[in-house]
Amino acid sequence: RKEVEQDPGPFNVPEGATVAFNCTYSNSASQSFFWYRQDCRKEPKLLMSVYSSGNEDGRFTAQLNRASQYISLLIRDSKLSDSATYLCVVNIRNAGNMLTFGGGTRLMVKP
Amino acid sequence: SAVISQKPSRDICQRGTSLTIQCQVDSQVTMMFWYRQQPGQSLTLIATANQGSEATYESGFVIDKFPISRPNLTFSTLTVSNLSPEDSSIYLCSVVPRDKLYEQYFGPGTRLTVT
Repeated sequence: RKEVEQDPGPFNVPEGATVAFNCTYSNSASQSFFWYRQDCRKEPKLLMSVYSSGNEDGRFTAQLNRASQYISLLIRDSKLSDSATYLCVVNIRNAGNMLTFGGGTRLMVKP
Repeated sequence: SAVISQKPSRDICQRGTSLTIQCQVDSQVTMMFWYRQQPGQSLTLIATANQGSEATYESGFVIDKFPISRPNLTFSTLTVSNLSPEDSSIYLCSVVPRDKLYEQYFGPGTRLTVT
């Protein structure tokens, strides 16, 4: 079983739609959580950190459920420019600064 | 966040040769890492580049194949040695800035093709 699992997609949605991505992690010692965005042929870029209380940044909302070892990302009012691969990333306690990446979920927003 | 540059941005190399990739950051950082991203795959950590000491390699990666240097807090190199077509991949460096705890920021990557 992979340490961080995501549905690879692709998710094809129309502009303006709301889309949600889910991610599960297997190591209960995971302590920090992130969503990264990666455009085609580009490096991953930090989208947002995920806090236990949940957090929102504009159209993006991230939530964490430690009991279920589950992280989500919600995108409201999708834009064409949101088309990218979204990577769920976890830092495990006692692993220093090492990050474990999920396989990514591909989103395609269409006009 | 830190500005990270990598050289070269891409290269085509013959099998059996080596390629050295440079990673330069515009500010001192606590941690530097090297990743590989094979076509259609997610990122795999190769090693942590330690300043002034030997790199810490992940399972499946060895120093003879991927020698790493980090002479100071803003610069690191990764060499991919004895190239084979299976080494064709994107190689990325990442850093943890001094004011961050776990957030990593990535360089633009080096696209390597081995013929």
